[in-house]
Amino acid sequence: QVQLVQSGAEVKKPGASVKVSCKASGYTFSSYYMHWVRQAPGQGLEWMGQINCSGGSTSYAQKFQGRVTMTRDTSTSTVYMELSSLRSEDTAVYYCARDWIGEALDYWGQGALVTVSS
Amino acid sequence: SSELTQDPAVSVALGQTVRITCQGDSLRSYYAGWYQQKPGQAPVLVIYGNNNRPSGIPDRFSGSSSGNTASLTITGARAEDEADYYCNSRDSSGNHLYVFGTGTKVTVL
Repeated sequence: QVQLVQSGAEVKKPGASVKVSCKASGYTFSSYYMHWVRQAPGQGLEWMGQINCSGGSTSYAQKFQGRVTMTRDTSTSTVYMELSSLRSEDTAVYYCARDWIGEALDYWGQGALVTVSS
Repeated sequence: SSELTQDPAVSVALGQTVRITCQGDSLRSYYAGWYQQKPGQAPVLVIYGNNNRPSGIPDRFSGSSSGNTASLTITGARAEDEADYYCNSRDSSGNHLYVFGTGTKVTVL
């Protein structure tokens, strides 16, 4: 069965960077894109970007351009999302989610809480 | 970039029907997906491609789209359908970008 298992919660200081991982299993990793979506406390879902798990090409939401980097490791079927220059507004749960034929996100990780606090 | 607008909250009596709408220019060109999210849980895809249900999603969930508006209908709402619902689609720029709706809180009375 398809599973996306994310790394654990992180606490970071303002200005630092965080790198969240998402390990995929149960399907052919390189055949799908992977997305990252975040959700601030009490707020809605916010799309951050996606990565082609085959070639590694990326597309980022304009809001995160220059601050986010998405990468993948095909040898371990893992994708990574690194967000730099963290500020308090980046406190959120970060989800990875698999792309379904470019129309929707069909499987989601359990989420990783990132708290930015001095 | 695109925006997808949803009503913040709707309520439905147990066993009745509720429709949730999502409006945005990108829906004229791209399919809508719908997600159910319960407190403390990751979202779950309930509709993709405007009107298709993933395996395991009850048939009381249905979707449609016309013009710039996509809709999710729950027919015969159950207590466990109480949740937040989000739509999403590709961004109207077409550059492999996506956007989520603002979300609708569904309360089952």
